[in-house]
Amino acid sequence: DAGVIQSPRHEVTEMGQEVTLRCKPISGHDYLFWYRQTMMRGLELLIYFNNNVPIDDSGMPEDRFSAKMPNASFSTLKIQPSEPRDSAVYFCASARGEGETQYFGPGTRLLVL
Amino acid sequence: GNSVTQMEGPVTLSEEAFLTINCTYTATGYPSLFWYVQYPGEGLQLLLKATKADDKGSNKGFEATYRKETTSFHLEKGSVQVSDSAVYFCALSAGNNRKLIWGLGTSLAVNP
Repeated sequence: DAGVIQSPRHEVTEMGQEVTLRCKPISGHDYLFWYRQTMMRGLELLIYFNNNVPIDDSGMPEDRFSAKMPNASFSTLKIQPSEPRDSAVYFCASARGEGETQYFGPGTRLLVL
Repeated sequence: GNSVTQMEGPVTLSEEAFLTINCTYTATGYPSLFWYVQYPGEGLQLLLKATKADDKGSNKGFEATYRKETTSFHLEKGSVQVSDSAVYFCALSAGNNRKLIWGLGTSLAVNP
């Protein structure tokens, strides 16, 4: 299996622009997680899905962030408008079941100028 | 609520030294416990796990034992290598939704 695939790997944008991050989970995994990692706050869970349905979005910072999972093989995390404080590494992870091992993608390194 | 506390880094060791990274937890019920490792520029990957008290997880020379009496899951390795330089995360899964609760990570640097 190819593992969790994320794109782009790097994104540099200007404040106010829309940013879309993409994730393809491992086939057969029912859970998908979006995380953000920064030096200041460490690893934060933003939102997770089960069978394409958002289960817990309490970690989403504010309304500028939105996530969708239109089918079992694709998810997006969108930031609109982006701000410099959104600069971070964003990880997508998937898991076969509840509480099971999570498999992480390589991350998207986002820099908002 | 559920939480994980791990020792602050950075930890710097010489090659072949003994490693301990402490991790303690607070949880209701019977959590599963995990150690993940993040190598530079990569995503996290599972290193080892334990699902019940007294279980020992092991992988790549690393070990951790699930101690319910001390609510701990300390990571150990007898002889570290330069290639072990990474950030190590302790995590637990508990409660109804069983989502992972993460520690802040401990950075390890191993010098030749």
